[in-house]
Amino acid sequence: KAGVTQTPRYLIKTRGQQVTLSCSPISGHRSVSWYQQTPGQGLQFLFEYFSETQRNKGNFPGRFSGRQFSNSRSEMNVSTLELGDSALYLCASNDPLSGRNYNEQFFGPGTRLTVL
Amino acid sequence: TQLLEQSPQFLSIQEGENLTVYCNSSSVFSSLQWYRQEPGEGPVLLVTVVTGGEVKKLKRLTFQFGDARKDSSLHITAAQPGDTGLYLCAGPSYKLSFGAGTTVTVRA
Repeated sequence: KAGVTQTPRYLIKTRGQQVTLSCSPISGHRSVSWYQQTPGQGLQFLFEYFSETQRNKGNFPGRFSGRQFSNSRSEMNVSTLELGDSALYLCASNDPLSGRNYNEQFFGPGTRLTVL
Repeated sequence: TQLLEQSPQFLSIQEGENLTVYCNSSSVFSSLQWYRQEPGEGPVLLVTVVTGGEVKKLKRLTFQFGDARKDSSLHITAAQPGDTGLYLCAGPSYKLSFGAGTTVTVRA
């Protein structure tokens, strides 16, 4: 099976702009989670989508939003970008119906967002 | 949120040496995962430990889950440059909580 893919891999934006990141999960995986990774804060959970519904949400402001489509592909949007939003944004998928209830995540390579 | 603390934060060793990375929490976990992340890539799942006292081996990597299921360790025997990376432990709840990670550098 093909792995998790994320586009674009790199993005440069300026403060105040908005950005949309895309994620295609592993075929058959219906859960998609998004994480933000920074040197200072490490890996932090943004939100999880399952069957087009946001199932869980981390402690991020409302500027961060997402959605999932019927084919399980997901997008994440950040509005009114701030310098502190510069980070590696990782998407991960898993199959909650696999019988292994350990929430094992399969990550994509990430999108490196730089806000100037 | 279940807090996971990893130590050390950084580790630099010579090829052929052994190393151990620790993951500790005050909370009990039903299971614990270890991931390795290489520069420019996303984390890759190495192993999931489930039972207290469990030991799992993956080639030169040995993972142990504490008896009380509050801690775990990763031991690498005869480290190689290919083992270089960020090692992360994670505890599953409604969301996956990650430790800050240990950056391992193996010098040739």
